Amino acid sequence: AQSVTQPDIHITVSEGASLELRCNYSYGATPYLFWYVQSPGQGLQLLLKYFSGDTLVQGIKGFEAEFKRSQSSFNLRKPSVHWSDAAEYFCAVEGNRDDKIIFGKGTRLHILP
Amino acid sequence: GAVVSQHPSWVICKSGTSVKIECRSLDFQATTMFWYRQFPKQSLMLMATSNEGSKATYEQGVEKDKFLINHASLTLSTLTVTSAHPEDSSFYICSALGQGMNYEQYFGPGTRLTVT
Repeated sequence: AQSVTQPDIHITVSEGASLELRCNYSYGATPYLFWYVQSPGQGLQLLLKYFSGDTLVQGIKGFEAEFKRSQSSFNLRKPSVHWSDAAEYFCAVEGNRDDKIIFGKGTRLHILP
Repeated sequence: GAVVSQHPSWVICKSGTSVKIECRSLDFQATTMFWYRQFPKQSLMLMATSNEGSKATYEQGVEKDKFLINHASLTLSTLTVTSAHPEDSSFYICSALGQGMNYEQYFGPGTRLTVT
């Protein structure tokens, strides 16, 4: 069965520092991969997605993610975080081409001033 | 971008009553809508998939008689929690997928349900 693992429940970084959020998936073939952000009391917003092609994907708000097939990973990165980036981040997978998205447990990002 | 709304944004109901949550795609036709449940500080769990004009497909462990889903039009899906109990209190989120939208689901802002 497909699954998504986000090993870090909480991450704290200082404003202006770089960020990497980890995501590993378990699926036989290459799934569709997504990163979503959820701010308190708000819905999910898609940051970026990977379907095929270039393994380095650029998203909104300065985020990027790199698909590494050998490591079954799709880590999210940002070179310099802003206080407004504090939120919950979810990695997600769609693997069966049935439109069903499986979410990881999420990583809560805290920003130190 | 595509917009999905949910109504109400929050609702409090008494145990034993039923409550209906609406999910609307505002500027596109949603051939498929999904309903998720999110417990505090946890991830989203897919409850069911609904296609316009057909019966919803429920995930394993989700009671279809308790969580009634209707997708009567291409812009509206409803989730009715019947005979609600305190353990049904949760954050319910819908998403919508339209034709040609390249697997991108658009999520509603969610509905906070509290059963007292």
